[in-house]
Amino acid sequence: GAVVSQHPSWVICKSGTSVKIECRSLDFQATTMFWYRQFPKQSLMLMATSNEGSKATYEQGVEKDKFLINHASLTLSTLTVTSAHPEDSSFYICSAIPGPIPGSTQYFGPGTRLLVL
Amino acid sequence: DAKTTQPNSMESNEEEPVHLPCNHSTISGTDYIHWYRQLPSQGPEYVIHGLTSNVNNRMASLAIAEDRKSSTLILHRATLRDAAVYYCIQETSGSRLTFGEGTQLTVNP
Repeated sequence: GAVVSQHPSWVICKSGTSVKIECRSLDFQATTMFWYRQFPKQSLMLMATSNEGSKATYEQGVEKDKFLINHASLTLSTLTVTSAHPEDSSFYICSAIPGPIPGSTQYFGPGTRLLVL
Repeated sequence: DAKTTQPNSMESNEEEPVHLPCNHSTISGTDYIHWYRQLPSQGPEYVIHGLTSNVNNRMASLAIAEDRKSSTLILHRATLRDAAVYYCIQETSGSRLTFGEGTQLTVNP
C-alpha cells in the first residue's frame, strides 16, 4: 500500500511553546489529508480536513487558531499546535488520499506522540 | 451522525476464522463501509472496504447485509499478528472517516 510518513515520531516540549508536525505522502500525490488525535485508550478523533492549496476544514469543537494546518504541496501537510499546554498531549495521526473521491482508501501515518510538560 | 456499533471485544483461537460484526443502521445509499485495524502506538492500517457487494482481498473478506445496515469482517485464519483493535467506519461526505470505539480482538495461541 501507499506510504505516509510523519515527523517527528515523538516530541516533548514546554508549556506555551509551539510544535509543528509534518505529514508526507511518499509515493502518491495527496490532494486531501486528514488530521486526527487519539488520547490513551480512546478512539481516533478527526480534527480537520486539509486540502492542498486551500484552507483546512475543522471539525466542530476543534480550535482552528490552536491547531494551524497548512497543506502547501501535494505531498506535505503540517499541523502546528500553538501555545501547547499539557492537555494537548496526545497521539497525533495524519492520513492521506489522492482526492476526496467516495470510497478512497485513507493511508495513515505512524503517528506523532506529543508530550507537553 | 455516522455512528457504527461494534462489540467492545472478541476472542479467537489461532488458525480459526473470526467474524467481527458491525451495525451501521444510519447508513445512506452512497456511504462506503471501511474497516481499519490499529496496533498500540501505531497508525491505523487499512483492511478492506465496500459499498454493496461482498468484497475479498488478501487480508480479509467483507460481507455486507442486503439492507446495508450491518456488515461482518471475516478473517479466514486468525494469526497472533491479527490481534488489534478493529474499526468499522461509515464514510461520510468529503471522504471523512468517523472512528467509533472499535473491537479489541484477542487471538489465543
